[in-house]
Amino acid sequence: QVLLVQSGREVKKPGASVKVSCKASGYTFSRYGISWVRQAPGQGLEWMGWISGKNGNAKYAQKFQGRVTLTTDTSSSTAYMEVRSLRSDDTAVYYCARMGYYSDTTGEYYPIDHWGQGTQVTVSS
Amino acid sequence: DIQMTQFPASLSASVGDRVTITCRASQGIKNSLAWFQQKPGKAPKSLIYAASTFHSGVPTTFSGSGSGTEFTLTISSLHPEDVGTYYCQQYMSYPYTFGQGTKLEIK
Repeated sequence: QVLLVQSGREVKKPGASVKVSCKASGYTFSRYGISWVRQAPGQGLEWMGWISGKNGNAKYAQKFQGRVTLTTDTSSSTAYMEVRSLRSDDTAVYYCARMGYYSDTTGEYYPIDHWGQGTQVTVSS
Repeated sequence: DIQMTQFPASLSASVGDRVTITCRASQGIKNSLAWFQQKPGKAPKSLIYAASTFHSGVPTTFSGSGSGTEFTLTISSLHPEDVGTYYCQQYMSYPYTFGQGTKLEIK
């Protein structure tokens, strides 16, 4: 079965960086993309961006452009998300999620189908 | 960016009730809409994509409908395990925005 296992909780000081990993299993990693979604305490879900498992091309929400970098290591079927210049409002649970695929007469689409367990990142001085 | 508006923000219903959650897009997204369920302290779970297609293992009490700008998620008969927060998300164009969520409780 599809499984996404994320790295453990992190506590960082403001201005530091954090890198969260997401190890995939149960499918061919290069055939699917990985999205990253975060959830601040008591808040809703926020899409940050996604990266292709095939070629490493990434797309970011404008809010995160320049401060977040998504990468993959196909040899270990692992996706990574790095956030730099951390602020207190980056405190959140960060999720990776596999992007499925389907096509119809109107185009190709990539909805999220499986989620990782989440990684708590706390930014505090 | 496409704005996704869900309503109600919260609702309380009895076991066995029919429950409907609505999601409205600020512009047309064809049927590029997904629904997710999140239980407290847990990761979200994917329920529906393409507005009305189930992921495997989703109970048949759930159904989705809609196209364009107006979408609904319906639970035909509420069970206690359906408690949680439900989110819609459009994947028509970047950024893939979520609705703000609907918190469902049992009366």
